[in-house]
Formats: sequence, C-alpha cells, structure tokens
Amino acid sequence: EVKLLESGGGLVQPGGSMRLSCAASGFTFTDFYMNWIRQPAGKAPEWLGFIRNKAKGYTTEYNPSVKGRLTISRDNTQNMLYLQMNTLRAEDTATYYCAGNDNYFDYWGQGVMVTVSS
Amino acid sequence: DIVLTQSPALAVSLGQRATISCKTNQNVDYYGNSYMHWYQQKPGQQPKLLIYLASNLASGIPARFSGRGSGTDFTLTIDPVEADDTATYFCQQSRNLPRTFGGGTKLELK
Repeated sequence: EVKLLESGGGLVQPGGSMRLSCAASGFTFTDFYMNWIRQPAGKAPEWLGFIRNKAKGYTTEYNPSVKGRLTISRDNTQNMLYLQMNTLRAEDTATYYCAGNDNYFDYWGQGVMVTVSS
Repeated sequence: DIVLTQSPALAVSLGQRATISCKTNQNVDYYGNSYMHWYQQKPGQQPKLLIYLASNLASGIPARFSGRGSGTDFTLTIDPVEADDTATYFCQQSRNLPRTFGGGTKLELK
C-alpha cells in the first residue's frame, strides 16, 4: 500500500523558514517524480515544484511564484522527500501536501498545516 | 502559466447527471494526449485523482465518473450522482510547467 506522510508543520514567524518532510513507503521511491503542493483553506491547490526520478537525474523544477525561496530535495536511501522554504509570509499559510508522479498526482499525503503569523 | 477556469458551484438532484466544465486559456493537447486531469476533494481530506489524461478512469474510481474533451474545453461527468459525490472537483493541467489547477467546482445536492 502506498503511503505518504508529511511532518514538520506548525506556526512560523513571518520572515522565518520551515522544513517539511514526507516519508514514502509502498512503492519504488526512486522511480517517481515527487511534488510539493499547497492549498490555502478554501482555495485551490497550488503546485510548488517537483524533483524528478532517478532516470531523470533527480533534477528540480519550481513554480516561479515561489522560486528563489524554495528547495525540494530527496533522500533516496531513506525514501524521504523534503521542502525547505525561506522568507515566509502570511500568504504561505496553507496545508502542504507531498504527491507522487509527474503529470498527474495519484498519490497524496494527508497534508501538514503551516501557519505563518506573529 | 496556463489558466484553468471552472464554475464555482453546481447543484444537482440525486440520481441525475452532473457535468462540470474546465476551460483553459491554452491548448493542453500534445502528441495525441490531452494533459488534463480531474480530482475530487472532500472537506478535511487530500484531493483524490479521478480521471487522468482527460478520459482515463483512475484506479478504484467507479464508472459513474467519466471525462472528455480536448484542446481547451474539458468536462467531468458524474452519472448518476450519489450522495457521497458532494465534494469540490478540481481540474489540473500538465501540458506545461508550472502545473496549474482550476479554482474548483463545489457540487451540492438539490
């Protein structure tokens, strides 16, 4: 059974940083592109970026809306995905999901809430 | 960015057909595939993939759900609608980066 489990959310001060983790199991992690997607309450999801699979050299792509503040990485020995986001603003408040695949997202975690507030 | 436009809400009666539309400002077809996908999201849950590449039913999704369309116009149909289908439905394109989602259509029962 495929499982994705995010962790690391919580309350962050404006201007601060956060690092989210996503533990993957039940599939061959290195075969998959892995994404971060966020969703503010009551709004549509927003794709933040992905890190490609082994065949594509684990390269990354980011949404220009957050590029420069975001780093996606993975530890393929531990089946872990990471999101590092800096210079956080109130508008970064959202539920953050990790999701698997490149074109469409057939695997999703349950999400982790991040609140940016003083 | 490719912009996806959905109507905000739709109300249908139990047992009737629901048709949810998604229009894009750019063609999302490429080499014979339409890079349009549909998700269902219930409150407090993560989105669930329903349809991929415009018309392919995702694993475990009942055949009451179907998708069609090409180019810039796509529809998700639920027929017949059941009570459990009340949710918000999002379309998403993968023709270009960044991947983008529609604003969502909230399906309610009359």
